[in-house]
Amino acid sequence: SQQGEEDPQALSIQEGENATMNCSYKTSINNLQWYRQNSGRGLVHLILIRSNEREKHSGRLRVTLDTSKKSSSLLITASRAADTASYFCATDAWSGGGADGLTFGKGTHLIIQP
Amino acid sequence: GAVVSQHPSRVICKSGTSVKIECRSLDFQATTMFWYRQFPKQSLMLMATSNEGSKATYEQGVEKDKFLINHASLTLSTLTVTSAHPEDSSFYICSARYATNEKLFFGSGTQLSVL
Repeated sequence: SQQGEEDPQALSIQEGENATMNCSYKTSINNLQWYRQNSGRGLVHLILIRSNEREKHSGRLRVTLDTSKKSSSLLITASRAADTASYFCATDAWSGGGADGLTFGKGTHLIIQP
Repeated sequence: GAVVSQHPSRVICKSGTSVKIECRSLDFQATTMFWYRQFPKQSLMLMATSNEGSKATYEQGVEKDKFLINHASLTLSTLTVTSAHPEDSSFYICSARYATNEKLFFGSGTQLSVL
């Protein structure tokens, strides 16, 4: 069953603007990950934030996690046309001893207009 | 980073035929591989989890006799869609995890179209 729910479902902004996507989930997690998918392609891992972390940065990406609200946000700063893609959050309840797959949200389709 | 190769990238077949999709980890040993299915503009739905040398664990609602998964080695898992029908048309994606790494590494996906 789906755990994460991203919003908005679609987002269109101008190049150079910041893009913010949100993700909510329902159960306890070990970590939360964000992935990017270009149309018709596989997913690429962007960033992972653990349940005991509140914020993480990677280049133009900033991720926050609020476990009390069971929510996360992904901020892409200074967006570029090449950032156009679908972005998925994925929750992981895996504690290292099992082999569970990630549970993906429905995704946010981001369009960066040049 | 770790590379996962998935083939074929696109397949068109007639109804009733079987289709095999391969997923290979090229530069690491994948202790676990996952198969996902994705409909247009939808999320990924986990179909099954496979560990090398053991039977796959299927998610509820996924027919194990329809979607045969073989994980014969630490670098190769295959998904065979048996007696494919138009409703099986979808985008299938494999992913792999190794050891204690929390990330998943994805193949590029296979677009299956059943006529």
